[in-house]
Amino acid sequence: NAGVTQTPKFRVLKTGQSMTLLCAQDMNHEYMYWYRQDPGMGLRLIHYSVGEGTTAKGEVPDGYNVSRLKKQNFLLGLESAAPSQTSVYFCASRTSGGPSSYEQYFGPGTRLTVT
Amino acid sequence: AQTVTQSQPEMSVQEAETVTLSCTYDTSESDYYLFWYKQPPSRQMILVIRQEAYKQQNATENRFSVNFQKAAKSFSLKISDSQLGDAAMYFCAYRSGGSEKLVFGKGTKLTVNP
Repeated sequence: NAGVTQTPKFRVLKTGQSMTLLCAQDMNHEYMYWYRQDPGMGLRLIHYSVGEGTTAKGEVPDGYNVSRLKKQNFLLGLESAAPSQTSVYFCASRTSGGPSSYEQYFGPGTRLTVT
Repeated sequence: AQTVTQSQPEMSVQEAETVTLSCTYDTSESDYYLFWYKQPPSRQMILVIRQEAYKQQNATENRFSVNFQKAAKSFSLKISDSQLGDAAMYFCAYRSGGSEKLVFGKGTKLTVNP
């Protein structure tokens, strides 16, 4: 059981370039989330999904797009990267029912630098 | 909008002693959940403890316990018998019962001295 994995772990982009971050979970969770963490801040929700084929905006969605074509994967895209998107990105997932439904399981993070 | 405030950017404790981390939150909701997450240098976010707002009893998980004061909107974390492995950033977080949005505080960096 790998839990929540994120690819890549590190990436450096030039302003204007695009990229996709991949999150995968093997726990059959319905809910998946993308957060960003900036220095001196807690995590902020970018987008989330409550099931395959669904997505919704979080607190800071501008400049990002997401897709959930398969239940186990949640992709975060940056179409035209900006220096303000330099951050550490975390993916998380949780089940929809049962005694553990409150807990979000986090991936190890992706450190993205935009120059 | 809900906010979470952690007033202690840094705290330190001697190994085997007890430390309390503070958290206050602002909400008009009655149905919500509160969490403490640990983030060690590896960056992995780990759930330490949770509290449902409707429960009056304070949550406890081994050496970790909370002091939940609903009227004061306070949710502090007590770590007993501190260990070197407890050194990390600790984040307090809030989630409304009807929302998927987890709102985090800015964190408290805990140092454990041998």
